[in-house]
Amino acid sequence: GAGVSQSPSNKVTEKGKDVELRCDPISGHTALYWYRQRLGQGLEFLIYFQGNSAPDKSGLPSDRFSAERTGESVSTLTIQRTQQEDSAVYLCASSLIGVAISSYNEQFFGPGTRLTVL
Amino acid sequence: AQKVTQAQTEISVVEKEDVTLDCVYETRDTTYYLFWYKQPPSGELVFLIRRNSFDEQNEISGRYSWNFQKSTSSFNFTITASQVVDSAVYFCALSEAPGAQKLVFGQGTRLTINP
Repeated sequence: GAGVSQSPSNKVTEKGKDVELRCDPISGHTALYWYRQRLGQGLEFLIYFQGNSAPDKSGLPSDRFSAERTGESVSTLTIQRTQQEDSAVYLCASSLIGVAISSYNEQFFGPGTRLTVL
Repeated sequence: AQKVTQAQTEISVVEKEDVTLDCVYETRDTTYYLFWYKQPPSGELVFLIRRNSFDEQNEISGRYSWNFQKSTSSFNFTITASQVVDSAVYFCALSEAPGAQKLVFGQGTRLTINP
């Protein structure tokens, strides 16, 4: 079946502009995650959606960052007034959710969107 | 707070050598999960393994093996008889038990296998 898809694959923007990044999770996956990977670094958690629960926004670096998810489908990550420090690969992942320790479901990652802020 | 440390930034070996990637973690939780992911030059993250904190058995999968030791908070990854295709960045990650499943990643180890 189809994996996690993200668009665009590359985005170049000018400082101060707003950008929207899109993620299409695997069908049926109730959980969706956004991560950021700066050049040569590990992944930083940004935000997590699970069903109809309030999202976990604890990783968003500033109020310029926001994300939405429609039901259990598409999610968009919006960065307003982009800064050069926002340049990174933004990765989306999705997973099923289990509540028993034996039923942890791994996150499947998309190919990422490479954002370059000039 | 949770933290994952991969002290080796880069490793370079000759093909067929064995190589071990180190991972040390910190967590206050008694129940947690540990992961290894591979990120080849294409950039997409590939899941390799997941262990939960109650299962300290070592695991072997082909040329890959993992050593989980709670006493030293380590979850090391060994590639035996390395191959050029193993060249990638490898990430160790930690997650709490179900309910808060965001992953905390280490900085990654860039592994280069030279022919």
